[in-house]
Amino acid sequence: QSALTQPRSVSGSPGQSVTISCTGSSDDVGAYNLVSWYQQHPGKAPKLMIYDVSKWPSGVPDRFSGSKSGNTASLTISGLQAEDEADYYCCSHAGSYTHWVFGGGTKLTVL
Amino acid sequence: EVQLVESGGGLVQPGGSLRLSCVASGFTFSTYEMNWVRQAPGKGLEWVSYISSSGSTKDYADSVKGRFTISRDNAKNSLYLQMDSLRAEDTALYYCAREYTTSGFDPWGQGTLVTVSS
Repeated sequence: QSALTQPRSVSGSPGQSVTISCTGSSDDVGAYNLVSWYQQHPGKAPKLMIYDVSKWPSGVPDRFSGSKSGNTASLTISGLQAEDEADYYCCSHAGSYTHWVFGGGTKLTVL
Repeated sequence: EVQLVESGGGLVQPGGSLRLSCVASGFTFSTYEMNWVRQAPGKGLEWVSYISSSGSTKDYADSVKGRFTISRDNAKNSLYLQMDSLRAEDTALYYCAREYTTSGFDPWGQGTLVTVSS
């Protein structure tokens, strides 16, 4: 059960776009269109931002978008805002026994 | 309002046991799959355990397999995690989370802190 690989940190200026990658394997990200993304501010519970690779839960702005190619999923945040500064985690289904696996997390800094 | 509230965390010695509870409200608990996810201090999220809506299917992370047991009582809208043979590395904030349609966890509870230390 290896964690999915995410960059430790990314940064961008307000108004810019940033992309966070999430690399897994043919057993998880590559095998299922069941990737989700979470935003976590300090001291708060994670918040679902994207599910099923590219779908938005109710209330999440469409500045957040998800995609997948092969064993790598990506979260793109466009029109960066100060409140987007947070930790972001990806998660993928990983089969019947492992069930779910998370990425190590990426700290987004808005410059 | 859809809500999950965890309880049962605390300080326990290595080798000890704890039982976490999660009470759900605002939705039909018995129709949703549920999970426990933990976060060690200053670290990332780690999936711990899954249970199907009926309770018939259960999965565990390798790190807790054989030591933790997930269960649910649909009549009481409650999810549980029995944690035995606790280790220092089990120290974390434990969240319960509902599975959102096909993938994703939403909502999450506020978490309950488990500290394993002598």
